[in-house]
Amino acid sequence: SQQGEEDPQALSIQEGENATMNCSYKTSINNLQWYRQNSGRGLVHLILIRSNEREKHSGRLRVTLDTSKKSSSLLITASRAADTASYFCATLSNYGGATNKLIFGTGTLLAVQP
Amino acid sequence: GAGVSQSPRYKVAKRGQDVALRCDPISGHVSLFWYQQALGQGPEFLTYFQNEAQLDKSGLPSDRFFAERPEGSVSTLKIQRTQQEDSAVYLCASSLEAGGTGELFFGEGSRLTVL
Repeated sequence: SQQGEEDPQALSIQEGENATMNCSYKTSINNLQWYRQNSGRGLVHLILIRSNEREKHSGRLRVTLDTSKKSSSLLITASRAADTASYFCATLSNYGGATNKLIFGTGTLLAVQP
Repeated sequence: GAGVSQSPRYKVAKRGQDVALRCDPISGHVSLFWYQQALGQGPEFLTYFQNEAQLDKSGLPSDRFFAERPEGSVSTLKIQRTQQEDSAVYLCASSLEAGGTGELFFGEGSRLTVL
């Protein structure tokens, strides 16, 4: 089963615009990570935010985390056609086992039109 | 190698055949994960290794699925008597830290199609 749900499921914008994707999750977490996946390829790690952090930046990426609402957002500023991909949030929770499982959401498909 | 390597990239199997999917993690990475990704969905956790020990196999969908990492590096995911519902992309990921607390590095995946 999947922990997180991304919203929207699909997003189409023009090059240069900002793209915002949201993620909601269900259980308490250690950290939340965002990954990107180009069609037919593996996932690439973008950014990690810990449960005691509220905001983090990396280049054109800005991630926020609201643990009281169990939600996170990923903002991509000044988008480029090359940003076209699926974006997944993933939460790290300890379910009581030996593993801190990274559980992925359903993904947002971003299309940036040139 | 520089990244996580998976083989084969594509596998077509007839229903009932056994398949073996290989993962070469980044050298020195302690943690190794297998995920299953259906079309249009996010990856779903299958199993976790810390070095050679399989610490969590709670995500394996049935006893037809078996994974091993005998020397703590290369891992193999084996699916016996494949069924059509096994068709998916199987992703392997490795991480430097134990317990899977850090960033995961993913391979390109093995796309399995069961006819």
